[in-house]
Parts: sequence; C-alpha cells; structure tokens
Amino acid sequence: DAGVIQSPRHEVTEMGQEVTLRCKPISGHNSLFWYRQTMMRGLELLIYFNNNVPIDDSGMPEDRFSAKMPNASFSTLKIQPSEPRDSAVYFCASTTFRDRKNIQYFGAGTRLSVL
Amino acid sequence: SQKIEQNSEALNIQEGKTATLTCNYTNYSPAYLQWYRQDPGRGPVFLLLIRENEKEKRKERLKVTFDTTLKQSLFHITASQPADSATYLCALVNTNAGKSTFGDGTTLTVKP
Repeated sequence: DAGVIQSPRHEVTEMGQEVTLRCKPISGHNSLFWYRQTMMRGLELLIYFNNNVPIDDSGMPEDRFSAKMPNASFSTLKIQPSEPRDSAVYFCASTTFRDRKNIQYFGAGTRLSVL
Repeated sequence: SQKIEQNSEALNIQEGKTATLTCNYTNYSPAYLQWYRQDPGRGPVFLLLIRENEKEKRKERLKVTFDTTLKQSLFHITASQPADSATYLCALVNTNAGKSTFGDGTTLTVKP
C-alpha cells in the first residue's frame, strides 16, 4: 500500500481565500483523523471519522473549518476564509478502529502558509 | 481532559550512550500508550505500543516502560546513533473515545 496520501504538500494562499486539503487513507482502514501541528501548540486533533461518519469535531477551531468524508477512500479539510493564524502543517492519519490500539499511520502532511 | 508532559524539549547525547525520554500524564491511565518518531518534514511514524498491564516492552534497541502508579512512561534508545536523531512523541490511547492524545515531543540529537 502507498500509505496515507495527502495533497497538496505545500499550499501558499492569501488571507480570505478558501483552502482545501485532501487525504486518501490506507485501504481497509475505517478511522480517519485530521491534525494540525504548530510549534506553539504541538499536534492537535481537529476531527475524526469512523466509517465515514464524523465522531468528534470538538477540536475544530472555528466555523471556518469544515471536514467531509464522502467515502472510505477520500476526505477533505476546508478552511474558508483562511487567516494567517491558520498557517501550520496539517496531517491526516488513518487506522483500523476494530482492534482499539489506535495505531495511526500518518501522511506526509500539508504545509499551509496564509499570507 | 488528559494532559501530557514530555520533559525537556530537546535532548543532546553522545553516540553510543543511552537516550532516555520521559512522558508524564495526568488523570486516567490509558489502556495503551504509544511512542512515535517524527523526522523533519514528515508525519509521525509508530514505533512501539505498551499496554497498561505491561511493565516493559522491547524492540531491538528500543525499550519502553509504563508505570501507572507514577503515571509515567520512559522511552530508552540504547547504543544511540546519529540516525536516531528525531523528535519522539508519546500518545495516550482513549479506547472508549477511539482517539489518542499526543505529547508535544522531545527532540533528540545524537552527536557523533
């Protein structure tokens, strides 16, 4: 398997623009997580899905953030409108929920810069 | 909510020595505790998992201990090498919620 695939790897945008980050989880995994990582706040869980259903979105910072998982092989994280403080590395991770060990496989991340 | 503290943001050691990283947590003891490695520009990579009823787990040069009384896990790398230089994160698994909480990580630098 190619692992968790995220796109784009880098995104530079201007304040106020819409940003869409994409993630393809590992085939057969039924849990998907979106994280944000910054120096100040470390690795923060934004939202996670089980079997394509959002379970916990308490980490989503504001209504400007939204996430969808239309099928088992694709998820998006959207920021609209983007702000400079959204600049961070965004990671997607997937795992198999069944065994409860929650061993997560991370993508390479999307480095977002909002100017 | 669970709080995790990984002491010392950075740890510098000489090649060949044993590196010891600490992960302390508050509140409940998790069913599982994990350690991940993260290299610059990459996502975290899973290394080891230890269960709450296990005291110690080994994998090659890596050893993890788990003390639920102290609410602490120690992560050891023996015979360290420059290639071990990376950031190491601990994660506590909340099996009821199906999610994990990550520490901020400790950056290890092994000097030749």
